[in-house]
Amino acid sequence: QKEVEQDPGPLSVPEGAIVSLNCTYSNSAFQYFMWYRQYSRKGPELLMYTYSSGNKEDGRFTAQVDKSSKYISLFIRDSQPSDSATYLCAMSRNAGNNRKLIWGLGTSLAVNP
Amino acid sequence: GAGVSQSPSNKVTEKGKDVELRCDPISGHTALYWYRQSLGQGLEFLIYFQGNSAPDKSGLPSDRFSAERTGGSVSTLTIQRTQQEDSAVYLCASSLLGVNTEAFFGQGTRLTVV
Repeated sequence: QKEVEQDPGPLSVPEGAIVSLNCTYSNSAFQYFMWYRQYSRKGPELLMYTYSSGNKEDGRFTAQVDKSSKYISLFIRDSQPSDSATYLCAMSRNAGNNRKLIWGLGTSLAVNP
Repeated sequence: GAGVSQSPSNKVTEKGKDVELRCDPISGHTALYWYRQSLGQGLEFLIYFQGNSAPDKSGLPSDRFSAERTGGSVSTLTIQRTQQEDSAVYLCASSLLGVNTEAFFGQGTRLTVV
């Protein structure tokens, strides 16, 4: 079993839909949780960064962490065609340690106009 | 530069040949990372450079892989005697030092070993 599980999709939704992307993990020591967006033929870019449990909102994006269930989510409201990309979750035990990030495989999202 | 630059964007090589992949980080970023992204695998950390400190090579999968960073800026990842399983996207990222610093990624080099 991988430390981080992420459904690869693909997920296809109509423009304006609410999108829910999820990851589960097995290591209870993880405290830092990130969501990255990766467009085709590009490198990942950081979208959201969350410490421990709770919610964090940034514009149309909301990240949720439920440490008791070892489950994290990224919600996208009013989805746009420009949101079409692969979304990667990543997590670590310690802050700011990009070497020790454990990555999900990514979920491919297509938002159709 | 405006962002992390990697070259070439695509590389096709024959099995057994050596390849060199180049990364030009964001100016002023002292931390530099190499990752590998393969189908069915998450991003895999390969090597980390930070300033003048000894690099963290703990992620290199075999001794066919090596990297150097000259003058604290440009880095080159070298794969010797390439194998088909080396086919992947090789991503470089750079960051400032400190806690909670974001790593900025280049567009990657897509390596295909035939």
